[in-house]
Amino acid sequence: GAVVSQHPSWVICKSGTSVKIECRSLDFQATTMFWYRQFPKQSLMLMATSNEGSKATYEQGVEKDKFLINHASLTLSTLTVTSAHPEDSSFYICSAREGTLRSNEKLFFGSGTQLSVL
Amino acid sequence: SQQGEEDPQALSIQEGENATMNCSYKTSINNLQWYRQNSGRGLVHLILIRSNEREKHSGRLRVTLDTSKKSSSLLITASRAADTASYFCATGKAAGNKLTFGGGTRVLVKP
Repeated sequence: GAVVSQHPSWVICKSGTSVKIECRSLDFQATTMFWYRQFPKQSLMLMATSNEGSKATYEQGVEKDKFLINHASLTLSTLTVTSAHPEDSSFYICSAREGTLRSNEKLFFGSGTQLSVL
Repeated sequence: SQQGEEDPQALSIQEGENATMNCSYKTSINNLQWYRQNSGRGLVHLILIRSNEREKHSGRLRVTLDTSKKSSSLLITASRAADTASYFCATGKAAGNKLTFGGGTRVLVKP
């Protein structure tokens, strides 16, 4: 099956620094990737939809200047948490939909990144 | 509120027993999917059921969909300790559209 690689798995950073998380589709092309945030024992909250070659579409309430998304190629999307603060500490997960076929409805997920901001 | 809401929030069963969890949603959908998440990991797709389908099977999994009640159920038969995980339903309003996830059901299968 399709594989999505997400790095790093965990990161600890100081308040005020920026952190970049990468999401790669290893054996397929993904024109659309999704970024989620998940708090302990809670559901996934969609942050933004990342479209290759165009600007990301952010969900209501998500600061686009805070969470920068770049989808420069068909296999790579990055999420940069800028000027991170302790309240940004969370589990971030990316997912990708294979190709552009409407029949490809299921998502393939990365293994997630646990961000801890001190 | 979330499109998909699940119950129960948590479920504890003995190995060999069946586990059933339910998902309700509010608006019309194109498809409903179930995913599994092991602690601290990403999600794994289990099964997809389209709005014109009523039941699907995959191994020990059985999913039903009742569009009139806007609800779905996931049944895991003959559970194993390795089935311990959180299970999420996700709804897609249109083909190729983003998915909205439910709150999840945490399942503990005791050996």
